[in-house]
Amino acid sequence: DAGITQSPRHKVTETGTPVTLRCHQTENHRYMYWYRQDPGHGLRLIHYSYGVKDTDKGEVSDGYSVSRSKTEDFLLTLESATSSQTSVYFCATSSQNIQYFGAGTRLSVL
Amino acid sequence: GIQVEQSPPDLILQEGANSTLRCNFSDSVNNLQWFHQNPWGQLINLFYIPSGTKQNGRLSATTVATERYSLLYISSSQTTDSGVYFCAGARRGSGTYKYIFGTGTRLKVLA
Repeated sequence: DAGITQSPRHKVTETGTPVTLRCHQTENHRYMYWYRQDPGHGLRLIHYSYGVKDTDKGEVSDGYSVSRSKTEDFLLTLESATSSQTSVYFCATSSQNIQYFGAGTRLSVL
Repeated sequence: GIQVEQSPPDLILQEGANSTLRCNFSDSVNNLQWFHQNPWGQLINLFYIPSGTKQNGRLSATTVATERYSLLYISSSQTTDSGVYFCAGARRGSGTYKYIFGTGTRLKVLA
């Protein structure tokens, strides 16, 4: 297993508050991804990174921003959380085209 | 965008039974992979299979890239095989690949 740690693992927040989720990896993988998982949708790509300070949008990027200042850390920020962003968020890294996932963060926006 | 269809959406098996899960893509993809999400939510990569056939124990997978589908075979199923199985394919994005996931097949194996 790639050493991928997501924090926090669970979070409850209120509508309108900012939230930052952290993904930390110890494998020195260049590529990192943020997904959300919702019933009936599988996993959908939010943002991804192809190097330090290099990021791009996925299919469901509205309302989210990301930053990658170090190879090992990829942050996902909800600038002003909404109830539609209640979901399970997964971070992944990729090496030799194989994806490795963290344990996920369950976020509830009330 | 590319559509990924997985079938069946739900499957209930008796322990020891065999099953075939299918994944169809509406367009060509790269880096096709199969994942298992266990009941605790952890996602594990089962196969990286852009084409051809691979086997790993009781599991095997076949991808026919020219026809845009992949199959996952589970033989002699066990209760620990329960969970959700996802396929994913990739298209080229900025600097690397972007992955598209199917909606999954939920498998329950009964003892």
